[in-house]
Amino acid sequence: GNSVTQMEGPVTLSEEAFLTINCTYTATGYPSLFWYVQYPGEGLQLLLKATKADDKGSNKGFEATYRKETTSFHLEKGSVQVSDSAVYFCALPTSGTYKYIFGTGTRLKVLA
Amino acid sequence: NAGVTQTPKFQVLKTGQSMTLQCAQDMNHNSMYWYRQDPGMGLRLIYYSASEGTTDKGEVPNGYNVSRLNKREFSLRLESAAPSQTSVYFCASSERQISGNTIYFGEGSWLTVV
Repeated sequence: GNSVTQMEGPVTLSEEAFLTINCTYTATGYPSLFWYVQYPGEGLQLLLKATKADDKGSNKGFEATYRKETTSFHLEKGSVQVSDSAVYFCALPTSGTYKYIFGTGTRLKVLA
Repeated sequence: NAGVTQTPKFQVLKTGQSMTLQCAQDMNHNSMYWYRQDPGMGLRLIYYSASEGTTDKGEVPNGYNVSRLNKREFSLRLESAAPSQTSVYFCASSERQISGNTIYFGEGSWLTVV
């Protein structure tokens, strides 16, 4: 079945640093891929998504490219802010059922 | 602009007690979900309802029951709470169970079983 693996955290960066959070997947076919973000004390909210191979999702300065060659969907941002401190989840549907599975989450802490 | 609303936000239970987590969505979504979030485990699906009138087990259904009361509401019941059920619970919904659909989450319910 489908699965997703994302890098362990926490990740601690200084403001304006470059961010990469790795996500790799195993899937049958080419399902849509998602990044969700969870701010402290809140539920998850969609950050960006890509619905087919080679698509790039982007939002709030974050980007991720659906790469079928490397089965990856890494999240990047050129210059992080303190307000980006949150937990980030990579996600994709499970094969056949379209239930969604989530990675374990990567906590990002940005220092001023 | 409520989206997905779940109650209560915080609850402390004694082992063996029962309780129901309520969830409602106002987006006319067909599919609804209950997840639990534990440190180091990410989100795990407890139960889901693909459409009104149907429910199915997810990864970790033991100790829980659900009811899809109508299209808007999807409740999660703990019949006899155990300390292992201490967790943060999230209700979610999506338009349909189709790849590419965004899932919308509630703000979470923090449950502690002592």
